Amino acid sequence: QVQLVESGGGLVRPGGSLRLSCTASGFTFSDYFMAWIRQTPGKGLEWVSYMKWNGRTVNYADSVKGRFTITRDNAKDSVYLQMSNLRAEDTAVYYCARYYHPESSDGFIGHWGQGTLVTVSS
Amino acid sequence: DIVMTQSPESLAVSLGERATIKCKSSQAVLYSSYNKNCLAWYQQKPGQPPKLLIYWASTRESGVPDRFTGSGSGTDFTLTINSLQAEDVADYYCQQYYTVPYTFGQGTKLEIK
Repeated sequence: QVQLVESGGGLVRPGGSLRLSCTASGFTFSDYFMAWIRQTPGKGLEWVSYMKWNGRTVNYADSVKGRFTITRDNAKDSVYLQMSNLRAEDTAVYYCARYYHPESSDGFIGHWGQGTLVTVSS
Repeated sequence: DIVMTQSPESLAVSLGERATIKCKSSQAVLYSSYNKNCLAWYQQKPGQPPKLLIYWASTRESGVPDRFTGSGSGTDFTLTINSLQAEDVADYYCQQYYTVPYTFGQGTKLEIK
């Protein structure tokens, strides 16, 4: 069955960096758009970034543009989110998410990981 | 950005009764080439990630009970849960995927009365 397992979350000071990883299994990873979506009690669900199956198309929320970078390694069935210059408002649960259809840009999510908590605090 | 506004913020319904959740988008999310509305609904239970219920505004995901129905077009959408069951207690979110940035509603908390 489809599994998405995130890692790399934790406590980081403002201005610091963190790299989230998501390892996928149970499907042909290289056929799917992948996304990072975060959730906070205050702001709810926010689409952070996505990347096309071949890595040639990426998109970022304005709130993270220039600070976060999404990458993927199809040989390792993994997607990453490099986060730098972190701010308190980046504190959230970060979910790795897979689009529903293979080879499709229809942006609704068929599978979510369990999430990893990122806390930005001094 | 398209703003998604859900109502109500919370809802208490008796077991066996109907729950209705509304979602309004600040602009139409109809993809004219497909004649489909780019609107999804998710259910989230405590401590779990969201789960897809409905996409294209009215297509039920495989395995989702048929008491869950999505409807609407343009800017106004509804998630209806008929014959409410105890396991339906959750937060519900709508999401538009018509244009980036894809955006979610603020959520509706559904409880048992």
